[in-house]
Amino acid sequence: DGGITQSPKYLFRKEGQNVTLSCEQNLNHDAMYWYRQDPGQGLRLIYYSQIVNDFQKGDIAEGYSVSREKKESFPLTVTSAQKNPTAFYLCASSPGVEETQYFGPGTRLLVL
Amino acid sequence: AQSVTQPDIHITVSEGASLELRCNYSYGATPYLFWYVQSPGQGLQLLLKYFSGDTLVQGIKGFEAEFKRSQSSFNLRKPSVHWSDAAEYFCAVGAGDDKIIFGKGTRLHILP
Repeated sequence: DGGITQSPKYLFRKEGQNVTLSCEQNLNHDAMYWYRQDPGQGLRLIYYSQIVNDFQKGDIAEGYSVSREKKESFPLTVTSAQKNPTAFYLCASSPGVEETQYFGPGTRLLVL
Repeated sequence: AQSVTQPDIHITVSEGASLELRCNYSYGATPYLFWYVQSPGQGLQLLLKYFSGDTLVQGIKGFEAEFKRSQSSFNLRKPSVHWSDAAEYFCAVGAGDDKIIFGKGTRLHILP
């Protein structure tokens, strides 16, 4: 069954802690994306990757980091430098840039 | 810069009534256009897309959208809404810089 998986569904972060959100796809898509969603603000692009071992900053990359060591995987780390990390995080993939993006179910990050 | 505007933050319609959700974009050439739907706490699901050709596009769940170049619009329509259509709807534009820009969303409420 092809698709995009994100884990965990809920994640709790303590002050000063880095946390990593997982995103895996088995659609054989080249491009992958991370978005942050806050109420009333739509989706804001954090990072995106067009191919393995390459990625670009989006509109709100500060306080976040990513890696793309495998085509299937695009983990997002929320670092302690991100002062307001509470949000819903969505991962997406597409065959190429500007093509249809397919979304995972999301991870809700909460700060303790 | 490219932009997407969804003028209505909330829309309420009665079950069985017709629906139109507005989307306007800013871009010099013909963009790629998308409509997505999101149920609470879930990822986004593609409803329909326009890349080229016929300007009236049919999607899933009985939705359609019409691309009007003269008005820079891509409004989403459904002739008769069902209670299960209550969700948040996002218009998105792919406009030539390797990214897709999402609108801030319109939340649809259905009255029984």
